[in-house]
Amino acid sequence: AQSVSQHNHHVILSEAASLELGCNYSYGGTVNLFWYVQYPGQHLQLLLKYFSGDPLVKGIKGFEAEFIKSKFSFNLRKPSVQWSDTAEYFCAVPYNQGGKLIFGQGTELSVKP
Amino acid sequence: NAGVTQTPKFRVLKTGQSMTLLCAQDMNHEYMYWYRQDPGMGLRLIHYSVGEGTTAKGEVPDGYNVSRLKKQNFLLGLESAAPSQTSVYFCASSPLRGREYEQYFGPGTRLTVT
Repeated sequence: AQSVSQHNHHVILSEAASLELGCNYSYGGTVNLFWYVQYPGQHLQLLLKYFSGDPLVKGIKGFEAEFIKSKFSFNLRKPSVQWSDTAEYFCAVPYNQGGKLIFGQGTELSVKP
Repeated sequence: NAGVTQTPKFRVLKTGQSMTLLCAQDMNHEYMYWYRQDPGMGLRLIHYSVGEGTTAKGEVPDGYNVSRLKKQNFLLGLESAAPSQTSVYFCASSPLRGREYEQYFGPGTRLTVT
């Protein structure tokens, strides 16, 4: 069965620090992977997605993620975080059809100014 | 476009009471979903719909019912609320095949059952 796990539950960084949030998946079919973000008081929104091709994908606001098939990972990275990146980040993987997603437990990122 | 809207935003129920949460989208999306979000558990799919008049169960459907009589609306019902249903409920919608995983979320409904 498909599953996705995020091992970092709460990450606290200072502005300008580099970020890497872990995401590991278990998925038997074609690999599609997603990162969603929920800023305080806002809707959950798509940050970036991987379907195929270049394993390094770029999303909005300077975020990127690398798909490493051998490690079953899709970690989210940003070279230099800003206070405005404070949010909760969710990794997700499809299961079956019909647009259904399984979400990880989420990682809360707090960036200190 | 308003995107995905949910009503109400907050609600407090007593155990055993019933209620309906309304989700509306104005993007002409085929697929719609109801999730619940609990601390440390991410989002879990309750029910979903792949088109008007169709519904199906997700990961955690027990205690909930849904209906999609119109393409733009997806209703979530709690028949007899229990404290375990205290949660934040999110509705989402997505376009047809090829972009079905690009989900657009509503602002959420915070439900407390006492």
